[in-house]
Amino acid sequence: QKEVEQNSGPLSVPEGAIASLNCTYSDRGSQSFFWYRQYSGKSPELIMSIYSNGDKEDGRFTAQLNKASQYVSLLIRDSQPSDSATYLCAVKILTGNQFYFGTGTSLTVIP
Amino acid sequence: DAGITQSPRHKVTETGTPVTLRCHQTENHRYMYWYRQDPGHGLRLIHYSYGVKDTDKGEVSDGYSVSRSKTEDFLLTLESATSSQTSVYFCAIRDSGLAYEQYFGPGTRLTVT
Repeated sequence: QKEVEQNSGPLSVPEGAIASLNCTYSDRGSQSFFWYRQYSGKSPELIMSIYSNGDKEDGRFTAQLNKASQYVSLLIRDSQPSDSATYLCAVKILTGNQFYFGTGTSLTVIP
Repeated sequence: DAGITQSPRHKVTETGTPVTLRCHQTENHRYMYWYRQDPGHGLRLIHYSYGVKDTDKGEVSDGYSVSRSKTEDFLLTLESATSSQTSVYFCAIRDSGLAYEQYFGPGTRLTVT
């Protein structure tokens, strides 16, 4: 059973639109949630972290967490072609020091 | 870039040879991780360290060993490389604080022929 599930996509949105990326996780003991952006051939780059239910906004990015539904999402407003990348969802459970990653969602922003 | 370097950045080796990958950090972080990334599998944890000489296994540790003799260096060794270990290897660090945020190094692309 996979710990973290993401729709692999590809997801295509027009420039200026809102991109919505979703992630579900299986362990109810999960405490910390992260979104990474990974450009092709590059390493993952942390863009958002969220720890409590609700929304967290940082510039054009909003992370949303719903622990009851075991669901975390990332919204990208005013999408730009430079946002075209693979987005990885990651989860840390309460016990231990391990992190679990989804396989990523590929996003393409069309100019 | 959180002061993380990996070496080598690219390596081609033959089946059965030993390989050591190095992760070096400059900011005295307590935790260091080794992941591999393969298409369809995402990032999977190989081993991690929570201090000098303190390490633990991840979900795909078979065929790999690690060592951490000083805070700044975390070594990943493939004792006898196999073609299934062809992958991109990423090192990551995180602080001891409550943020739990991980930051990744640039990666090493390893090909085992």
